[in-house]
Amino acid sequence: ELKVEQNPLFLSMQEGKNYTIYCNYSTTSDRLYWYRQDPGKSLESLFVLLSNGAVKQEGRLMASLDTKARLSTLHITAAVHDLSATYFCAVTTNAGGTSYGKLTFGQGTILTVHP
Amino acid sequence: GAGVSQTPSNKVTEKGKYVELRCDPISGHTALYWYRQSLGQGPEFLIYFQGTGAADDSGLPNDRFFAVRPEGSVSTLKIQRTERGDSAVYLCASSFSGQETQYFGPGTRLLVL
Repeated sequence: ELKVEQNPLFLSMQEGKNYTIYCNYSTTSDRLYWYRQDPGKSLESLFVLLSNGAVKQEGRLMASLDTKARLSTLHITAAVHDLSATYFCAVTTNAGGTSYGKLTFGQGTILTVHP
Repeated sequence: GAGVSQTPSNKVTEKGKYVELRCDPISGHTALYWYRQSLGQGPEFLIYFQGTGAADDSGLPNDRFFAVRPEGSVSTLKIQRTERGDSAVYLCASSFSGQETQYFGPGTRLLVL
């Protein structure tokens, strides 16, 4: 069974600081996604990472994937208040007869950026 | 363009009642997904449709849960004999195919009293 673990689960940052959220998964994965969720809202797609060594950047967020270590990171540079949200990684695979459609999510990281 | 829409946005029901939750995917998206999110948790997969057929229903918790997508567009998630433990946010997502990024709707908040 595919398991996805994120850490930390809670992250309180000062504006202007850098930090990294980690996402580990238990079995071979074909695709890894990062989503953002604001309180009471739905999930917004941030990144999809398809291959080992993939790196994607959007604004102050950069995501990377190491398939050998089964690890993805979401790096936050010079945090601003607007980045406060819950961040989820999600993994999918078609190995073992499962379908690409089944996303398995981590527990989420609640990020709070303080002035 | 329009995103994924879900109705109702909130539903309060009594234990033992039947509920239907509706999802309207993004136009042109052939794949549709249902997830359930409990407070403080990540979404949990329920079922995935490719066109009209369920490609993967391995996440449905028991036979009280059923979903249909008769014309390959709108989908309805049906819950019979609701229990308090069914209270959660039910999220629908769609994608262009089964291998593309899933776009989520705003969810239906179900409360079973």
